[in-house]
Amino acid sequence: GAVVSQHPSWVICKSGTSVKIECRSLDFQATTMFWYRQFPKQSLMLMATSNEGSKATYEQGVEKDKFLINHASLTLSTLTVTSAHPEDSSFYICSARRTGWDNTEAFFGQGTRLTVV
Amino acid sequence: DAKTTQPPSMDCAEGRAANLPCNHSTISGNEYVYWYRQIHSQGPQYIIHGLKNNETNEMASLIITEDRKSSTLILPHATLRDTAVYYCIVRSYSGNTPLVFGKGTRLSVIA
Repeated sequence: GAVVSQHPSWVICKSGTSVKIECRSLDFQATTMFWYRQFPKQSLMLMATSNEGSKATYEQGVEKDKFLINHASLTLSTLTVTSAHPEDSSFYICSARRTGWDNTEAFFGQGTRLTVV
Repeated sequence: DAKTTQPPSMDCAEGRAANLPCNHSTISGNEYVYWYRQIHSQGPQYIIHGLKNNETNEMASLIITEDRKSSTLILPHATLRDTAVYYCIVRSYSGNTPLVFGKGTRLSVIA
Protein backbone atom coordinates (compact mmCIF):
# COMPACT_ATOMS: atom_id res chain seq x y z
CA GLY A 1 0.00 0.00 0.00
CA ALA A 2 0.88 3.65 -0.25
CA VAL A 3 3.40 4.93 2.26
CA VAL A 4 3.77 8.30 3.93
CA SER A 5 7.00 8.84 5.79
CA GLN A 6 7.75 11.46 8.42
CA HIS A 7 11.13 12.56 9.66
CA PRO A 8 12.21 12.75 12.37
CA SER A 9 10.17 10.34 14.48
CA TRP A 10 11.03 12.29 17.58
CA VAL A 11 12.92 15.45 18.39
CA ILE A 12 13.88 17.34 21.50
CA CYS A 13 14.71 21.01 21.13
CA LYS A 14 15.43 23.97 23.34
CA SER A 15 12.84 26.66 23.88
CA GLY A 16 13.19 29.43 21.31
CA THR A 17 14.66 27.30 18.56
CA SER A 18 12.95 26.12 15.37
CA VAL A 19 12.24 22.57 14.30
CA LYS A 20 11.47 21.27 10.81
CA ILE A 21 9.40 18.14 10.24
CA GLU A 22 9.31 16.48 6.82
CA CYS A 23 6.44 14.53 5.32
CA ARG A 24 7.03 12.50 2.18
CA SER A 25 4.71 10.42 0.04
CA LEU A 26 7.03 7.62 -1.03
CA ASP A 27 5.22 5.99 -3.91
CA PHE A 28 2.55 8.42 -5.02
CA GLN A 29 2.05 12.07 -5.75
CA ALA A 30 0.09 14.24 -3.36
CA THR A 31 -0.99 17.69 -4.43
CA THR A 32 -2.48 18.16 -1.00
CA MET A 33 -1.19 17.08 2.37
CA PHE A 34 -2.66 17.66 5.80
CA TRP A 35 -0.98 18.40 9.13
CA TYR A 36 -2.44 17.37 12.45
CA ARG A 37 -1.44 17.83 16.07
CA GLN A 38 -2.33 15.49 18.92
CA PHE A 39 -1.94 16.22 22.61
CA PRO A 40 -1.84 13.38 25.17
CA LYS A 41 -5.12 11.52 25.58
CA GLN A 42 -6.79 13.68 22.93
CA SER A 43 -7.83 13.14 19.34
CA LEU A 44 -6.07 14.44 16.25
CA MET A 45 -6.69 18.11 15.53
CA LEU A 46 -6.32 19.41 11.99
CA MET A 47 -3.83 22.26 11.84
CA ALA A 48 -3.54 23.07 8.18
CA THR A 49 -3.94 21.93 4.61
CA SER A 50 -0.77 22.05 2.57
CA ASN A 51 -1.09 22.67 -1.18
CA GLU A 52 1.73 22.07 -3.62
CA GLY A 53 2.91 25.30 -5.15
CA SER A 54 0.62 27.57 -3.15
CA LYS A 55 0.03 28.85 0.36
CA ALA A 56 -1.23 26.55 3.06
CA THR A 57 -4.68 26.95 4.55
CA TYR A 58 -4.68 27.11 8.32
CA GLU A 59 -7.45 26.12 10.70
CA GLN A 60 -8.87 28.71 13.04
CA GLY A 61 -6.61 29.33 16.00
CA VAL A 62 -3.45 27.99 14.34
CA GLU A 63 -0.78 30.69 13.93
CA LYS A 64 0.52 30.64 10.39
CA ASP A 65 3.65 32.59 11.33
CA LYS A 66 4.52 30.05 13.99
CA PHE A 67 3.79 26.90 12.01
CA LEU A 68 5.37 27.44 8.61
CA ILE A 69 4.31 25.01 5.94
CA ASN A 70 6.09 24.52 2.64
CA HIS A 71 4.90 22.11 -0.05
CA ALA A 72 7.54 22.53 -2.71
CA SER A 73 7.00 19.28 -4.59
CA LEU A 74 4.31 16.67 -5.17
CA THR A 75 5.94 14.33 -2.68
CA LEU A 76 7.20 16.58 0.09
CA SER A 77 5.63 18.92 2.61
CA THR A 78 7.46 20.43 5.56
CA LEU A 79 6.19 21.87 8.83
CA THR A 80 8.51 24.21 10.70
CA VAL A 81 7.67 25.06 14.28
CA THR A 82 9.33 28.43 14.81
CA SER A 83 10.47 29.77 18.17
CA ALA A 84 9.22 26.64 19.85
CA HIS A 85 7.94 26.77 23.42
CA PRO A 86 7.09 23.97 25.84
CA GLU A 87 3.38 24.31 25.02
CA ASP A 88 4.22 23.32 21.42
CA SER A 89 5.29 19.90 22.67
CA SER A 90 2.97 17.49 20.93
CA PHE A 91 2.63 14.64 18.45
CA TYR A 92 2.57 16.01 14.90
CA ILE A 93 1.15 13.83 12.13
CA CYS A 94 0.88 14.37 8.39
CA SER A 95 -1.50 12.80 5.94
CA ALA A 96 -1.74 12.55 2.17
CA ARG A 97 -4.09 11.19 -0.45
CA ARG A 98 -3.17 10.26 -4.00
CA THR A 99 -3.67 13.19 -6.34
CA GLY A 100 -6.93 12.79 -8.20
CA TRP A 101 -8.18 9.98 -5.97
CA ASP A 102 -10.49 12.09 -3.83
CA ASN A 103 -12.78 9.22 -2.81
CA THR A 104 -10.05 6.97 -1.53
CA GLU A 105 -8.36 6.58 1.79
CA ALA A 106 -5.81 9.00 3.15
CA PHE A 107 -2.49 7.67 4.39
CA PHE A 108 -0.78 8.87 7.52
CA GLY A 109 2.82 9.22 8.52
CA GLN A 110 4.09 7.58 11.67
CA GLY A 111 4.10 10.90 13.50
CA THR A 112 6.76 13.11 15.03
CA ARG A 113 6.92 13.58 18.77
CA LEU A 114 8.22 17.05 19.57
CA THR A 115 9.43 17.86 23.06
CA VAL A 116 10.45 21.43 23.79
CA VAL A 117 12.56 21.89 26.91
CA ASP B 1 -19.10 16.90 7.21
CA ALA B 2 -21.57 15.03 9.37
CA LYS B 3 -20.73 14.40 13.02
CA THR B 4 -20.28 10.89 14.39
CA THR B 5 -20.97 9.42 17.83
CA GLN B 6 -19.04 6.45 19.21
CA PRO B 7 -18.88 4.84 22.63
CA PRO B 8 -15.75 5.99 24.47
CA SER B 9 -14.51 2.51 25.25
CA MET B 10 -15.18 -1.19 24.70
CA ASP B 11 -13.64 -4.47 25.78
CA CYS B 12 -13.41 -7.63 23.71
CA ALA B 13 -12.07 -11.07 24.51
CA GLU B 14 -9.21 -12.28 22.37
CA GLY B 15 -10.39 -14.46 19.50
CA ARG B 16 -13.94 -13.12 19.61
CA ALA B 17 -15.49 -10.70 17.15
CA ALA B 18 -15.27 -7.03 18.05
CA ASN B 19 -18.28 -4.99 16.94
CA LEU B 20 -17.72 -1.25 17.07
CA PRO B 21 -20.80 0.92 16.53
CA CYS B 22 -20.99 4.41 15.08
CA ASN B 23 -23.93 6.76 14.74
CA HIS B 24 -23.96 9.30 11.92
CA SER B 25 -27.60 10.32 11.78
CA THR B 26 -26.94 13.54 9.84
CA ILE B 27 -24.96 11.89 7.06
CA SER B 28 -25.77 13.22 3.59
CA GLY B 29 -25.93 11.42 0.29
CA ASN B 30 -22.42 12.33 -0.87
CA GLU B 31 -20.62 11.28 2.31
CA TYR B 32 -18.60 8.14 2.84
CA VAL B 33 -18.03 6.39 6.17
CA TYR B 34 -14.34 5.82 6.93
CA TRP B 35 -12.78 3.81 9.74
CA TYR B 36 -9.25 4.33 11.01
CA ARG B 37 -7.45 3.10 14.08
CA GLN B 38 -4.56 4.48 16.06
CA ILE B 39 -2.28 2.30 18.07
CA HIS B 40 -0.50 4.13 20.85
CA SER B 41 2.10 6.66 19.62
CA GLN B 42 1.62 5.82 15.96
CA GLY B 43 -0.10 7.52 13.04
CA PRO B 44 -3.66 6.43 12.20
CA GLN B 45 -4.04 3.32 10.09
CA TYR B 46 -6.72 3.03 7.43
CA ILE B 47 -9.12 0.12 7.94
CA ILE B 48 -12.04 0.37 5.55
CA HIS B 49 -14.56 2.76 4.01
CA GLY B 50 -17.94 2.56 2.32
CA LEU B 51 -20.82 4.56 0.91
CA LYS B 52 -23.93 2.44 1.32
CA ASN B 53 -23.08 -1.18 0.61
CA ASN B 54 -21.44 -3.45 3.14
CA GLU B 55 -17.73 -3.79 2.61
CA THR B 56 -15.16 -6.41 3.60
CA ASN B 57 -11.40 -6.54 3.32
CA GLU B 58 -8.61 -8.49 4.94
CA MET B 59 -8.81 -6.43 8.11
CA ALA B 60 -12.49 -5.95 8.82
CA SER B 61 -16.09 -5.75 7.66
CA LEU B 62 -18.18 -2.60 7.52
CA ILE B 63 -21.92 -2.89 7.90
CA ILE B 64 -23.91 0.23 7.01
CA THR B 65 -27.62 0.37 7.82
CA GLU B 66 -30.03 0.87 4.97
CA ASP B 67 -30.84 4.42 6.07
CA ARG B 68 -27.09 5.07 6.40
CA LYS B 69 -27.55 6.64 9.81
CA SER B 70 -25.31 4.17 11.57
CA SER B 71 -22.61 1.62 10.87
CA THR B 72 -20.69 -1.15 12.60
CA LEU B 73 -17.08 -2.09 12.16
CA ILE B 74 -16.48 -5.79 12.73
CA LEU B 75 -13.09 -7.27 13.53
CA PRO B 76 -13.89 -10.97 13.11
CA HIS B 77 -11.23 -12.45 15.40
CA ALA B 78 -9.76 -9.81 17.64
CA THR B 79 -6.16 -10.17 18.79
CA LEU B 80 -4.18 -8.28 21.41
CA ARG B 81 -2.61 -6.26 18.59
CA ASP B 82 -6.04 -4.86 17.73
CA THR B 83 -6.05 -2.86 20.96
CA ALA B 84 -6.27 0.73 19.72
CA VAL B 85 -8.49 3.79 19.39
CA TYR B 86 -10.92 3.34 16.51
CA TYR B 87 -12.24 6.37 14.69
CA CYS B 88 -15.39 6.50 12.59
CA ILE B 89 -15.31 9.48 10.23
CA VAL B 90 -17.82 10.76 7.73
CA ARG B 91 -16.40 12.63 4.77
CA SER B 92 -17.74 14.09 1.58
CA TYR B 93 -16.38 12.47 -1.55
CA SER B 94 -16.43 15.74 -3.46
CA GLY B 95 -13.07 17.42 -3.29
CA ASN B 96 -9.87 16.53 -1.51
CA THR B 97 -11.11 17.42 1.96
CA PRO B 98 -9.34 16.37 5.16
CA LEU B 99 -10.48 13.77 7.64
CA VAL B 100 -11.85 15.33 10.81
CA PHE B 101 -11.37 13.11 13.83
CA GLY B 102 -13.74 12.75 16.76
CA LYS B 103 -12.89 11.11 20.06
CA GLY B 104 -13.17 7.54 18.82
CA THR B 105 -13.63 4.29 20.72
CA ARG B 106 -10.82 2.83 22.77
CA LEU B 107 -10.96 -0.93 22.17
CA SER B 108 -9.18 -3.11 24.66
CA VAL B 109 -8.70 -6.73 23.63
CA ILE B 110 -8.30 -8.91 26.67
CA ALA B 111 -6.52 -12.26 26.82
